[in-house]
Amino acid sequence: DGGITQSPKYLFRKEGQNVTLSCEQNLNHDAMYWYRQDPGQGLRLIYYSQIVNDFQKGDIAEGYSVSREKKESFPLTVTSAQKNPTAFYLCASSVDRVGEKLFFGSGTQLSVL
Amino acid sequence: SQKIEQNSEALNIQEGKTATLTCNYTNYSPAYLQWYRQDPGRGPVFLLLIRENEKEKRKERLKVTFDTTLKQSLFHITASQPADSATYLCAPKGRGSYIPTFGRGTSLIVHP
Repeated sequence: DGGITQSPKYLFRKEGQNVTLSCEQNLNHDAMYWYRQDPGQGLRLIYYSQIVNDFQKGDIAEGYSVSREKKESFPLTVTSAQKNPTAFYLCASSVDRVGEKLFFGSGTQLSVL
Repeated sequence: SQKIEQNSEALNIQEGKTATLTCNYTNYSPAYLQWYRQDPGRGPVFLLLIRENEKEKRKERLKVTFDTTLKQSLFHITASQPADSATYLCAPKGRGSYIPTFGRGTSLIVHP
């Protein structure tokens, strides 16, 4: 079945540690996105990518990094520079046009030890 | 700055009634607006997209309206069921951006 797979479901980060969240899609979508969701808050855009080897910063990119070496994969690294990383991270993709009809993964809950 | 307002209080209704959720936006003119459903601990699921030149869009028991004068979208679920209980997110997309901005969502609780 086609879809987006995010892993792991739960992740714990120690102080000063970088962690990487995985996002893989087999939908053949060109555009991919990373959002952060805090309790009671809307989704905030971290990064997005319209095509392979290209990505753009979103509203809250500081402390995060991404790569898009393959169409299917868009991993997100939460660096030690992100001082408040505890949140629910959502990866999404879209096919029609960038920003329309986003298809989301099931999310990764990141917590700080 | 651009602002999206969705009712932060949960909407409680009885099964079989029509649920109406509101999305108000200020300081921009969206080219289109999307509605998503989100269940606890899960990613949002796309429901409907309505463009600025469309007044109304329907899909099964769902209906969305888009009033660019009032800067408001209404999302209706007719003949609501307990399975419709979830948080519903509004996501307008401004003209100068590739990406939609999401509201905080409104929680809908349908009581049997």
